[in-house]
Amino acid sequence: GIQVEQSPPDLILQEGANSTLRCNFSDSVNNLQWFHQNPWGQLINLFYIPSGTKQNGRLSATTVATERYSLLYISSSQTTDSGVYFCAVAAVYSGAGSYQLTFGKGTKLSVIP
Amino acid sequence: EPEVTQTPSHQVTQMGQEVILRCVPISNHLYFYWYRQILGQKVEFLVSFYNNEISEKSEIFDDQFSVERPDGSNFTLKIRSTKLEDSAMYFCASSETRGNEQFFGPGTRLTVL
Repeated sequence: GIQVEQSPPDLILQEGANSTLRCNFSDSVNNLQWFHQNPWGQLINLFYIPSGTKQNGRLSATTVATERYSLLYISSSQTTDSGVYFCAVAAVYSGAGSYQLTFGKGTKLSVIP
Repeated sequence: EPEVTQTPSHQVTQMGQEVILRCVPISNHLYFYWYRQILGQKVEFLVSFYNNEISEKSEIFDDQFSVERPDGSNFTLKIRSTKLEDSAMYFCASSETRGNEQFFGPGTRLTVL
């Protein structure tokens, strides 16, 4: 099946700093989503971005589908940004299937005051 | 804004007991999914459901698991005889069509004693 690698696995930032999280995937995708898992375990949708660039406030994401990677940018980080960030993809070769998401292992972000 | 809801938020059960986890997907969505996350690990796909039948399932989804859409709104996951290793967070998700953005519920934390 498709492989999803996220880096770095852990990241510690001072409040106000910027960061870039990376997601590499091993095959063509028709869905790519970024999630933030908060301390209560909830998965918060950040972006649906199988290709192109999107921005939402201090967060933005870029997916270069031809090169099989996606980047999540967090600017002016806040303590509330802490948590685990997951990238998840659905492979094109799912064919007649449902395009279930394959998740990476996540990047654990800690923002300190 | 429409959202996926799940009940209960927490469930504690004894090994060998049956549990039913409930989900209400977004009303105009056609594809429904269950995922699970063992503590500290990545999110894993269990099963997808479309047009009142399973469209895909993972190796994890063995005979002790079943899914059902008993009425026009609910989507349930039943675990027939729970094991200690079934302890996890279970997420329900839905999407309008396959390949579209999947929206996740807040999860049910299942603890098997």
